[in-house]
Amino acid sequence: AQTVTQSQPEMSVQEAETVTLSCTYDTSESDYYLFWYKQPPSRQMILVIRQEAYKQQNATENRFSVNFQKAAKSFSLKISDSQLGDAAMYFCASMNRDDKIIFGKGTRLHILP
Amino acid sequence: NAGVTQTPKFRILKIGQSMTLQCTQDMNHNYMYWYRQDPGMGLKLIYYSVGAGITDKGEVPNGYNVSRSTTEDFPLRLELAAPSQTSVYFCASSYSGNQPQHFGDGTRLSIL
Repeated sequence: AQTVTQSQPEMSVQEAETVTLSCTYDTSESDYYLFWYKQPPSRQMILVIRQEAYKQQNATENRFSVNFQKAAKSFSLKISDSQLGDAAMYFCASMNRDDKIIFGKGTRLHILP
Repeated sequence: NAGVTQTPKFRILKIGQSMTLQCTQDMNHNYMYWYRQDPGMGLKLIYYSVGAGITDKGEVPNGYNVSRSTTEDFPLRLELAAPSQTSVYFCASSYSGNQPQHFGDGTRLSIL
């Protein structure tokens, strides 16, 4: 069965500092996709970053980058130069070839001014 | 650009009532999804569709039905509302299965 685990229910980081959110997953597939989504208080789900499992290079999107460790089935999100607008729930998700996406329970990120 | 539009935004139902949550997208996306998000939890997939006329069950399909008669619309039907269906419901769409999903603003549904 496909599972996604986020072990940190809440995290806090000082503004302008760097924070890493953890995510582990389990899948029997060799070809799959991983995502980080952000959900601010407005409730809208926003894609932060996407990683294709067959690509060894870690995805990067401006201040957001991932550390993808395929063998360890780990997919952590690093946010550099944290900003107040980064405060949100962050969800890790995986999608197999059957097109079903599984979300983790989320990590609530607080940005301290 | 409207993107993914969900209606209504809020609704209160009595136990046993039925209703349809509407979802429409104007991006000509093939794939559409319905999720529910319970308090403090991640999203769980209810149903999805890979194209008009094709639907499939997700993780938590019991108590729900869907149809996909057009590319644009993907309504979610609750036939006999139960308190366990109190949740926030999100509709999403994507061009294909591995592409990022675009989400609607959600529908907050309470069953009393």
